[in-house]
Amino acid sequence: DQQVKQNSPSLSVQEGRISILNCDYTNSMFDYFLWYKKYPAEGPTFLISISSIKDKNEDGRFTVFLNKSAKHLSLHIVPSQPGDSAVYFCAASEGGGTSYGKLTFGQGTILTVHP
Amino acid sequence: DTAVSQTPKYLVTQMGNDKSIKCEQNLGHDTMYWYKQDSKKFLKIMFSYNNKELIINETVPNRFSPKSPDKAHLNLHINSLELGDSAVYFCASSLTANTGELFFGEGSRLTVL
Repeated sequence: DQQVKQNSPSLSVQEGRISILNCDYTNSMFDYFLWYKKYPAEGPTFLISISSIKDKNEDGRFTVFLNKSAKHLSLHIVPSQPGDSAVYFCAASEGGGTSYGKLTFGQGTILTVHP
Repeated sequence: DTAVSQTPKYLVTQMGNDKSIKCEQNLGHDTMYWYKQDSKKFLKIMFSYNNKELIINETVPNRFSPKSPDKAHLNLHINSLELGDSAVYFCASSLTANTGELFFGEGSRLTVL
C-alpha cells in the first residue's frame, strides 16, 4: 500500500544541467508535500515544501512543482552540483492539527551528479 | 554539536532480548518522533510526542514502548526482539507539531540475530 511512489530508483545528471526528480501519490487527503535529501550514514535533511494551495515553490536552486489533478510533484535542481549527489525522498502529509509531522515517504531516488 | 543525537548508532542483539535506543535534541523543539526505515528503504512513522504527550501512535506492536521524560528526550524500548525488528530507527524533532520540517538524527541500525 504505497501511497507515495518514486518510480525512478536512480538518476544520473551532468554538473550544471537540470535534475528532475518525480513523485506520485494516491491519497487525495494529502495536502502538504516535502522533499528531503539524505547522505550516507546521515539522517534525512529537509529541503523544500509546498502546500496544496500552491503549484510552485522556489528556494534558490530548488523548485518544487505540484500538479494536484495528476497527484504528481517534482523537484527541479538547477544547476545541479556534485554536492547534490544524495538520496532524495518525497514525503506527504494530510496536515491539520498535530499531524503535519506524520509523513508518508516514498522509497527515494538516488541522484548522482557527475563533474 | 549535534542537534538530534541517538545512541547507540549500531546495535546487534539476539532474538528475544530487550533493548533501548535513546534520543536527545538540543534545538528547543516541542515535538519528537520515531521513524523506522525498513529493508525496502521506506521511512515509516512509529510515534510522536509533543511536550511529553503522545500525539501519534501508528500501528506498531506493543513490544515497542516510547518514553519521553522531558521534551528534549524521546527513548524507544523494544521488548522480546524479533528478526523483523531489524531496521534503521531514526529519531527526529520539529519546532512544533504543526510542521513537517523535521530534523533527523543519524539513525540507529538495529540487527536482530
